[in-house]
Parts: sequence; C-alpha cells; structure tokens
Amino acid sequence: GAVVSQHPSRVICKSGTSVKIECRSLDFQATTMFWYRQFPKKSLMLMATSNEGSKATYEQGVEKDKFLINHASLTLSTLTVTSAHPEDSSFYICSARPTGDGQPQHFGDGTRLSIL
Amino acid sequence: AQKVTQAQTEISVVEKEDVTLDCVYETRDTTYYLFWYKQPPSGELVFLIRRNSFDEQNEISGRYSWNFQKSTSSFNFTITASQVVDSAVYFCALLGSSNDYKLSFGAGTTVTVRA
Repeated sequence: GAVVSQHPSRVICKSGTSVKIECRSLDFQATTMFWYRQFPKKSLMLMATSNEGSKATYEQGVEKDKFLINHASLTLSTLTVTSAHPEDSSFYICSARPTGDGQPQHFGDGTRLSIL
Repeated sequence: AQKVTQAQTEISVVEKEDVTLDCVYETRDTTYYLFWYKQPPSGELVFLIRRNSFDEQNEISGRYSWNFQKSTSSFNFTITASQVVDSAVYFCALLGSSNDYKLSFGAGTTVTVRA
C-alpha cells in the first residue's frame, strides 16, 4: 500500500516552456503533499507544502509565481514550473502522507527536468 | 530547531561486509519520529523504517537493523552482509511538531558495495 505516482518521469524542453508535474496518491487520501527539489549529490530541499483545497505554503526563497502548486483533490497535487529556464533543471520529487500521527511520507519516483 | 546529521558522506565496502550508517539528530520536541529512506541510482526514495520517540526497541528486518538511542540522540542503521544491490544513498529524517511536521533530512550517506 501507500503508493505515490509521479508523472512524467523525465522532461526535456526548450527554455520558456511551462512544465506540469503530477503527483497522485493511488491507494490513500492525502490532505497534504510535499514538493522537493534535489540537486546532484545533495539532499532533498523542501520547496512547498501542498494543502488540499487551500493555498500551498512555500519555503523561504522559493518563488511561488515560478512554481505553481495546485492541490485540487485528496489524491492529486500538481507542480507547474512556469517559463522554465536552464537553472530550473533539476530532479523534482513529490511525497504524500496518509493521515495519522507520524505517518511516513511516501515518495513518487521523481521527475528529471532538463531545460535546454 | 530540528537538525539531522549524517557525518559519513560516502562509505565503500566489499560485498558481504557489514556497514553501519550513523545518524544524529537534534530536536526540542518530546514526541517525534525518525525515518530512514533509501535512494537507489534510479532516483526514487524508498521508505525503510519509522521509529517514534517513545519506542527505543531496536529493530531487525532481514539484513537491516536499526539502533535507536535517545540518550545519544542517535538512530543508526546497519546493513549486514552487504550486497551490490544495497548500493544507494541513504537518508535519515526527522519529523516533529516544532518543524510543522515537515521532514528534516540529513545530507545522506552514499553506500557503494563492490563485488
């Protein structure tokens, strides 16, 4: 159980394109999902907390107009990288947490984004 | 504030050797949770174990074992008789109310198991 699906797994596109990444919890409901960014050989950096039915909470230094997050249902959150540029190239990973104290976050397989 | 320290950046062992990954944490919460995740070269993060702050029992799962000691704020992970498939980056993480229940990750330890 506790499967999280992330799509697409890899995106290569031109500078200026907007890219949407989907994160779905397949067998549980998640009122809260998380979006991370990971640079090569680095740890995960939390970008934002996605809350179902309300605005996302962004970490300091993350541009909310650049990284649009929508959490329209209890099983789906999307991250849109708007007008992407080469510096946005990275590995983006989402996670979802079942309700209950101390439940582990379950991660999607990640999206490798390459902006040319 | 919460902090997780994985002092070992990289560990390289020969197959069948045991390897222990250190994790030291800081938190002012009395109730908190500790996790280990595995990230193989393919990139996905695999949940390995969760421990809450009130349960100091050590745990064994196959070749994996975990040693949780509140007295030293440590949650170490041992792989016994390592295999090539164990090669991955391993992250220790902490969850508590003082960080709004957001996971605090350590920097990760890269384990390379050579045949």
